Amino acid sequence: DAGVIQSPRHEVTEMGQEVTLRCKPISGHDYLFWYRQTMMRGLELLIYFNNNVPIDDSGMPEDRFSAKMPNASFSTLKIQPSEPRDSAVYFCASSSRDPGSYEQYFGPGTRLTVT
Amino acid sequence: AQKVTQAQTEISVVEKEDVTLDCVYETRDTTYYLFWYKQPPSGELVFLIRRNSFDEQNEISGRYSWNFQKSTSSFNFTITASQVVDSAVYFCALSEFSPHYGGSQGNLIFGKGTKLSVKP
Repeated sequence: DAGVIQSPRHEVTEMGQEVTLRCKPISGHDYLFWYRQTMMRGLELLIYFNNNVPIDDSGMPEDRFSAKMPNASFSTLKIQPSEPRDSAVYFCASSSRDPGSYEQYFGPGTRLTVT
Repeated sequence: AQKVTQAQTEISVVEKEDVTLDCVYETRDTTYYLFWYKQPPSGELVFLIRRNSFDEQNEISGRYSWNFQKSTSSFNFTITASQVVDSAVYFCALSEFSPHYGGSQGNLIFGKGTKLSVKP
């Protein structure tokens, strides 16, 4: 089975531009998570969904960030407008609520550079 | 508040040495899960192990072993006879049980990671 798929793998954009990151979770998983990894703050949760519904978005840094999950196989994380401090690696992860299967499986990440 | 502390920022060993990565956690709940993930230089996060708070048995998987001690809130990871391919950043993480959401997990709280360098 395919793992979590993220696109693009690398994104370079200029400050002020809109950036959209995409994620396809593992089929059958009903939890989807967006994380951000920086040297300063490490890995931090931005938002997570259960059955396409946002459950906890307290980690979203500010209104410039938004996330959607229109169906069970697709999610987006959008930054508008982007700023240099948004430069980071963004990971998407998915997991199943089945007992004994709580581990999250991560995608390869999107490395975002905002100049 | 939930917290995961990995006090060792970087560790360097020579191949075939044993190495232990420390993890200390804080949580108010009696039901929780602990995880270890590996992040090799290529950048992806690889799941290694999950432990629930009711299972304090140590676990061994090949050269990897994990020691879970609730009394000291620790979940340490040992690599025996380390190899160059073990070089990576290792993250310990905590997930609290979330009965509000049908008894499923909450989000993962990660430690800052320990960078392990294994030299030939």
